[in-house]
Amino acid sequence: DAGVIQSPRHEVTEMGQEVTLRCKPISGHDYLFWYRQTMMRGLELLIYFNNNVPIDDSGMPEDRFSAKMPNASFSTLKIQPSEPRDSAVYFCASSFRTRGYNEQFFGPGTRLTVL
Amino acid sequence: DAKTTQPPSMDCAEGRAANLPCNHSTISGNEYVYWYRQIHSQGPQYIIHGLKNNETNEMASLIITEDRKSSTLILPHATLRDTAVYYCIVRVATNAGKSTFGDGTTLTVKP
Repeated sequence: DAGVIQSPRHEVTEMGQEVTLRCKPISGHDYLFWYRQTMMRGLELLIYFNNNVPIDDSGMPEDRFSAKMPNASFSTLKIQPSEPRDSAVYFCASSFRTRGYNEQFFGPGTRLTVL
Repeated sequence: DAKTTQPPSMDCAEGRAANLPCNHSTISGNEYVYWYRQIHSQGPQYIIHGLKNNETNEMASLIITEDRKSSTLILPHATLRDTAVYYCIVRVATNAGKSTFGDGTTLTVKP
């Protein structure tokens, strides 16, 4: 199994531009999580999905952030418009219900820099 | 989710056992203890979890005190590749993610 796949691995953009981060979870996993990691705030959960349905988006910082999961093998996290304070590493993770929601497998992350 | 307290950093000699403590004095009866680690520039990696019994897998052992207010993650023979930030989190098994990972313990394995 290739594990959780994220793209791009690095993204540099200018303030005001739209940014789309992509995630392919492990096949068969029914939970998908988006996290953001910064030095100041650590690793924080933004949103998670169960069977492609958003369950809890209370961690999404503001309306500029949106996430979708159109099918079981693909999810996107979009920031529009982007701001310098959005610079962080964004991780996607997936898990399989019968192994426990909290046995999460993380992807390699996308390092986002907003200039 | 219950709050956890971990030392900010620890050192361990290569080949020796690394014992990483975690305090979770407000843990509830249905909350599990989970351990993850994050090697520099990589995504966090699940290690092990337990409710009240000691657990062991191919990566580590988890010792939970009888009152469940603290636990210890044991890496039996630490290698340089075990240098990472180790996170202890406490969570209900059916709660798929309400808490952050906290600051964790930075373990440095030295030759």
